[in-house]
Amino acid sequence: GAVVSQHPSRVICKSGTSVKIECRSLDFQATTMFWYRQFPKKSLMLMATSNEGSKATYEQGVEKDKFLINHASLTLSTLTVTSAHPEDSSFYICSATRTSGRYEQYFGPGTRLTVT
Amino acid sequence: GQQVMQIPQYQHVQEGEDFTTYCNSSTTLSNIQWYKQRPGGHPVFLIQLVKSGEVKKQKRLTFQFGEAKKNSSLHITATQTTDVGTYFCAGNNAGNMLTFGGGTRLMVKP
Repeated sequence: GAVVSQHPSRVICKSGTSVKIECRSLDFQATTMFWYRQFPKKSLMLMATSNEGSKATYEQGVEKDKFLINHASLTLSTLTVTSAHPEDSSFYICSATRTSGRYEQYFGPGTRLTVT
Repeated sequence: GQQVMQIPQYQHVQEGEDFTTYCNSSTTLSNIQWYKQRPGGHPVFLIQLVKSGEVKKQKRLTFQFGEAKKNSSLHITATQTTDVGTYFCAGNNAGNMLTFGGGTRLMVKP
């Protein structure tokens, strides 16, 4: 158990458009979900932490109005990149922790966003 | 803010050689976690260390948490091609938010 899915796996969009990425915990309830950004051959940069039913907590330097996060249920969080620009092109990965108190993060397969 | 540094960034080894990656935190940690990311894949949890001086083993992998709870290491004995990937440490000093190290990319020559 502990499978996290992300959709879409790849997306190409034009500058100025918005893109929504979904993160789902398939077989467990996730109190907390995390959104990361990963540049090629680099580490994971935490963008925000989202708790079900409350506003996301954004890391310093991450624009709240540009990266909209919604955690509507214990199994779904969404990240919307608004008015995307080429510099937003990246690999976005979500992760989730269980409600049961276990500590490890289960990562989704990631979404490759390319903004042209 | 908290910083977690890992060395080396890259390591090439011949199959059968040992490998070690080191992780250092700027602050004392409540626990440290290790993840492995295969090329093209996503990070997968390996282990968590909580106690000062703790040592845990998983087959050929040995994980260690320093006495001061500010550093950690992962040692792989007799590497195999299946060990290829990037190994990340992640420090936790409050709640369940992790700060990831830069990762060590391991390449194994058969």
